[in-house]
Amino acid sequence: AQSVTQLDSHVSVSEGTPVLLRCNYSSSYSPSLFWYVQHPNKGLQLLLKYTSAATLVKGINGFEAEFKKSETSFHLTKPSAHMSDAAEYFCVVIPMDSSYKLIFGSGTRLLVRP
Amino acid sequence: GAGVSQSPRYKVAKRGQDVALRCDPISGHVSLFWYQQALGQGPEFLTYFQNEAQLDKSGLPSDRFFAERPEGSVSTLKIQRTQQEDSAVYLCASSPTRDRVFVNTEAFFGQGTRLTVV
Repeated sequence: AQSVTQLDSHVSVSEGTPVLLRCNYSSSYSPSLFWYVQHPNKGLQLLLKYTSAATLVKGINGFEAEFKKSETSFHLTKPSAHMSDAAEYFCVVIPMDSSYKLIFGSGTRLLVRP
Repeated sequence: GAGVSQSPRYKVAKRGQDVALRCDPISGHVSLFWYQQALGQGPEFLTYFQNEAQLDKSGLPSDRFFAERPEGSVSTLKIQRTQQEDSAVYLCASSPTRDRVFVNTEAFFGQGTRLTVV
């Protein structure tokens, strides 16, 4: 079965420093992968998605992620953190037997220190 | 409205009480989803509607959970005889497409309803 593992439950960075949120997937085929962000009292928002096109995917707010099949990873990065990036981030995969059912990781809470 | 609207935003229910959670999707959106997010966890799929048809309800945890979308727009998630383990945030999402919903386009999530069963 397809699944994703987010390796860190919490990540803390200083404003202006790089962000790395790690995600590994488990899949027997080339999956569709996503990163969503959840700010307090706001709905889940799509940051970016990988759907078998370019392996380096650029998203909103300066985030990007690289699909690495050899490492079964889809890590999320940003060169310079901003205070407004503080939120919960979810790595997500779509299972092969369903085109509409998202499988979420357990989430990584990003804290940004001033 | 501009986005997916869910009401109420917060609901406190006594154990054994029935509750109804409402989702107003973006106008014209064909697909509608319900997800359940327990505290500290990622959301989990509950059910999927395409217009008024409930195509998948495999994620509903028990027969106490029931969802409907009778006219293909507003949807209601009903939980009967609530239990403490039902405490969670219930998220609704909608999408304008019916095929490869999340791959071909973007689904939009509401802010959710936080249900607390005491």
